[in-house]
Amino acid sequence: GQNIDQPTEMTATEGAIVQINCTYQTSGFNGLFWYQQHAGEAPTFLSYNVLDGLEEKGRFSSFLSRSKGYSYLLLKELQMKDSASYLCAVRDGDYKLSFGAGTTVTVRA
Amino acid sequence: DVKVTQSSRYLVKRTGEKVFLECVQDMDHENMFWYRQDPGLGLRLIYFSYDVKMKEKGDIPEGYSVSREKKERFSLILESASTNQTSMYLCASSSGTSGSGADTQYFGPGTRLTVL
Repeated sequence: GQNIDQPTEMTATEGAIVQINCTYQTSGFNGLFWYQQHAGEAPTFLSYNVLDGLEEKGRFSSFLSRSKGYSYLLLKELQMKDSASYLCAVRDGDYKLSFGAGTTVTVRA
Repeated sequence: DVKVTQSSRYLVKRTGEKVFLECVQDMDHENMFWYRQDPGLGLRLIYFSYDVKMKEKGDIPEGYSVSREKKERFSLILESASTNQTSMYLCASSSGTSGSGADTQYFGPGTRLTVL
């Protein structure tokens, strides 16, 4: 089976940096995705990593280490609108994604 | 922009009823997926389809079936709804260009189903 772990909740202050870790043990690996989901809304794509290293996209960066089965999503210069759930997902074949339970980030003023 | 729509945002059904959840995508995507999302469990894949009339079981297919008669439409069917099927149901689609990059899944807004 697939096992994808991420913290349940994190709280940070506006303007700060937060790092959300994701560890995975899957039968195969064909890329790791991060999605953002605001309460009551659909998940939306944030980032994709398939090779080791850091991918930067504005205030958001995502890192992958395949040998360690580890990824993190880094959110910089936090804004109130970043309060959401962040979902880590691994594609282990051609189509399927396996998701972690999600990390709820609360940004305080 | 990719648009994935679902037939209802909220649905209330009674135990034993047959329930149809419809999903339509407008980007000519090959792949379509049905998930359910429950607190503390994340998204779990029920069924997916990589072509018209093709379907594959996901991780939790029991109690569900699917239909894909047209490329743009993927239906989830609860043959006899039960209270443990109360959940948020999310549909997604992706282009199907596996091996060529991210092949991102795009999600619909979800249907919150309550079975009484």
